[in-house]
Amino acid sequence: AQSVTQPDIHITVSEGASLELRCNYSYGATPYLFWYVQSPGQGLQLLLKYFSGDTLVQGIKGFEAEFKRSQSSFNLRKPSVHWSDAAEYFCVFSGTYKYIFGTGTRLKVLA
Amino acid sequence: GAGVSQSPSNKVTEKGKDVELRCDPISGHTALYWYRQSLGQGLEFLIYFQGNSAPDKSGLPSDRFSAERTGGSVSTLTIQRTQQEDSAVYLCASSLSSGGYTDTQYFGPGTRLTVL
Repeated sequence: AQSVTQPDIHITVSEGASLELRCNYSYGATPYLFWYVQSPGQGLQLLLKYFSGDTLVQGIKGFEAEFKRSQSSFNLRKPSVHWSDAAEYFCVFSGTYKYIFGTGTRLKVLA
Repeated sequence: GAGVSQSPSNKVTEKGKDVELRCDPISGHTALYWYRQSLGQGLEFLIYFQGNSAPDKSGLPSDRFSAERTGGSVSTLTIQRTQQEDSAVYLCASSLSSGGYTDTQYFGPGTRLTVL
């Protein structure tokens, strides 16, 4: 069955520190993967997406993600976190037209 | 340009009442989706429209839930005889083309429904 797992429910980092949010998927073929961010009271904003090709994907707001087929992972990274990055992050799998969402990782940023 | 809009942003209703939630997709987007975000269940797919047709209604949780789309644009999600377990944020999304798996979906801000 197709699924996506985000092992970390909450993560806390200090402002300026690096960030990595984990995402693992289960799918037999090439997955189509997205990362979205949801700020409090806001809708979901697309950060980046992976369909094929280069396994390192650049997104908005300084985020990047690396697709690793051997590890079935698509981890999100940012070298230096800003206080405004505090939000909930969702890894999303698309095997058909409907999205399958991970459970989300809530990021807290300490000043 | 304008994004996906949803109204109302918040809705408080009494158990047993009917509610209608509205979604205005991005102009020109042919595919439209409804999702539900609740504390216990996370984000779940409800229904998908291609134009005015709904080829997949598999996520609607019960026959109290229905949705329609008119003119290939605005969509309304209706919940009849609301129950407390219907309390959630209802998100609408749209995408440009035929709803293929590579389509990027653009989300609205959601409607927070509270059933007392």
